[in-house]
Amino acid sequence: GDSVTQMEGPVTLSEEAFLTINCTYTATGYPSLFWYVQYPGEGLQLLLKATKADDKGSNKGFEATYRKETTSFHLEKGSVQVSDSAVYFCALSSNRDDKIIFGKGTRLHILP
Amino acid sequence: DAGITQSPRHKVTETGTPVTLRCHQTENHRYMYWYRQDPGHGLRLIHYSYGVKDTDKGEVSDGYSVSRSKTEDFLLTLESATSSQTSVYFCAISESLSSTDTQYFGPGTRLTVL
Repeated sequence: GDSVTQMEGPVTLSEEAFLTINCTYTATGYPSLFWYVQYPGEGLQLLLKATKADDKGSNKGFEATYRKETTSFHLEKGSVQVSDSAVYFCALSSNRDDKIIFGKGTRLHILP
Repeated sequence: DAGITQSPRHKVTETGTPVTLRCHQTENHRYMYWYRQDPGHGLRLIHYSYGVKDTDKGEVSDGYSVSRSKTEDFLLTLESATSSQTSVYFCAISESLSSTDTQYFGPGTRLTVL
């Protein structure tokens, strides 16, 4: 079945460092791909998404490119801030199914 | 922010008691979902609804039931709570089942079963 694998955390970085959180997926067909973020004590909120191959989603300085050839959707940010500390979830939604499949989440700590 | 509220936000209960969690939305979205979040598992779908009185099971539905009598409300019931149901429960909504559509999440309910 469809699945999402993302790098395990926690990831700890200093402020202004470059961030990469890896995400790969397995799916039949052409899924849409998402990154959700969960700040402490809150629900998940959409960070960015891409609905077809080679699309780049971006928001709040974060970017991810839908790479069909490597089945990946890695999240990147050029200069992280303390306020980016959160748990990040990669997810996919298949066009043959009606459900979103989430990765296990990656906790990110940014040190001042 | 999407208008989604969950109640209660925190609950402690004992094994064997029934528990009902409520999700309320003001967005008039057709689709509603219940997830549980556990360390090492991410989010797992319990049940979802595609309209009033129309519901279906997710991947971890055993021990849970749901009801949707109004568009805006989706109830999750634990008929007889067990310690394995200690978790954080999230409600979500979406306008459609399109794979490109976004799900919007509520703030969560932390449930502890002693």
